[in-house]
Amino acid sequence: AQSVTQLGSHVSVSEGALVLLRCNYSSSVPPYLFWYVQYPNQGLQLLLKYTSAATLVKGINGFEAEFKKSETSFHLTKPSAHMSDAAEYFCAVSSGTYKYIFGTGTRLKVLA
Amino acid sequence: DADVTQTPRNRITKTGKRIMLECSQTKGHDRMYWYRQDPGLGLRLIYYSFDVKDINKGEISDGYSVSRQAQAKFSLSLESAIPNQTALYFCATSEPPGQSTGELFFGEGSRLTVL
Repeated sequence: AQSVTQLGSHVSVSEGALVLLRCNYSSSVPPYLFWYVQYPNQGLQLLLKYTSAATLVKGINGFEAEFKKSETSFHLTKPSAHMSDAAEYFCAVSSGTYKYIFGTGTRLKVLA
Repeated sequence: DADVTQTPRNRITKTGKRIMLECSQTKGHDRMYWYRQDPGLGLRLIYYSFDVKDINKGEISDGYSVSRQAQAKFSLSLESAIPNQTALYFCATSEPPGQSTGELFFGEGSRLTVL
């Protein structure tokens, strides 16, 4: 069985500060891992994905995530937060079939 | 135009009414999904379809039905809406795993309120 845990339903950072959103997963098979972003009144948009190639994955808008098998983690980071990064972020895991398991989401607030 | 289009975007209805949410896609994907989003619960799968003749229940299908009218169209119906079906509904598509890295492509969502 697969599962995803996102630590922190709300995270606040100052503009220009490091963004760190945490995601831990459980999977009995090699996972595909995804981060999606949801802006207000919009659907989910793919930020980045891990598919067993490089463990450090770079995505859009300056975000990146590192797959750490030993820690079963896939944390999302951005060196310098921008006001436009305020949104809800979802981590998801898939075994490569139809089934995607989503975390409960982390709402990022960026303070001026 | 969006690759995955949902209609309506917002709907308010009353308990007991029949509601249909429609989804159409121009991505040419065979796989289509309906998810429900509730605050603090993430996204949960209602139904999924691998092609027009292959429709499957997800984890929360009770109270819902679907129709795959064509490769590009996948509709979700609430036969008799109840207040706890108030939620944000998303349609999504994907390619089969062997043809891609399998990410989901989402529509912009349909917000349903059942009074």
